[in-house]
Amino acid sequence: AQKITQTQPGMFVQEKEAVTLDCTYDTSDPSYGLFWYKQPSSGEMIFLIYQGSYDQQNATEGRYSLNFQKARKSANLVISASQLGDSAMYFCAMREGSSGYSTLTFGKGTMLLVSP
Amino acid sequence: ETGVTQTPRHLVMGMTNKKSLKCEQHLGHNAMYWYKQSAKKPLELMFVYSLEERVENNSVPSRFSPECPNSSHLFLHLHTLQPEDSALYLCASSQNRLMNTGELFFGEGSRLTVL
Repeated sequence: AQKITQTQPGMFVQEKEAVTLDCTYDTSDPSYGLFWYKQPSSGEMIFLIYQGSYDQQNATEGRYSLNFQKARKSANLVISASQLGDSAMYFCAMREGSSGYSTLTFGKGTMLLVSP
Repeated sequence: ETGVTQTPRHLVMGMTNKKSLKCEQHLGHNAMYWYKQSAKKPLELMFVYSLEERVENNSVPSRFSPECPNSSHLFLHLHTLQPEDSALYLCASSQNRLMNTGELFFGEGSRLTVL
């Protein structure tokens, strides 16, 4: 079973509008972290935002916020006031475990296109 | 400019060639990673090095051979590859192998095409 599911292969949004990118995850570990990365056409993966499983509040970083619904195992990324430069692939990722060694597992990604 | 630099950015090679991908990080991190990104598939972790010691090898074929001479440099040596190995190979680093809230810092990737 996939650990990270991103059901939207592509999303379109107009400039200045808000957009939500979906992410659901699957883990039995009580301690985990959720990440969102942006990958523009240049190829580099850029870290956007992090949410820990024990964090009480939803994470926010500028125009990015993470809508964390633990019971539903969802961690949707909300981008407010979209900009043309937001057009890129967006990946949700999860780290499981809190001690020892851990790595990230990524979803397949969502392509976001922002139009003028 | 990214703190993780990968060269070459593009590589075309035949199945009998031997080539290497290079990654250098300028962030003082202790852990480095190779990921493979194929079309329509999630990123696949290939290798992880922590303090120059390989800590994970995700059942990667032996035609891919990593090398980590020091904590700043990571190589991926390629030989007798197959066309299905064509992909974007991403290098990443992190503060240490226990990531906690720390994120991965990625390079821009090396686009490999195997003919």
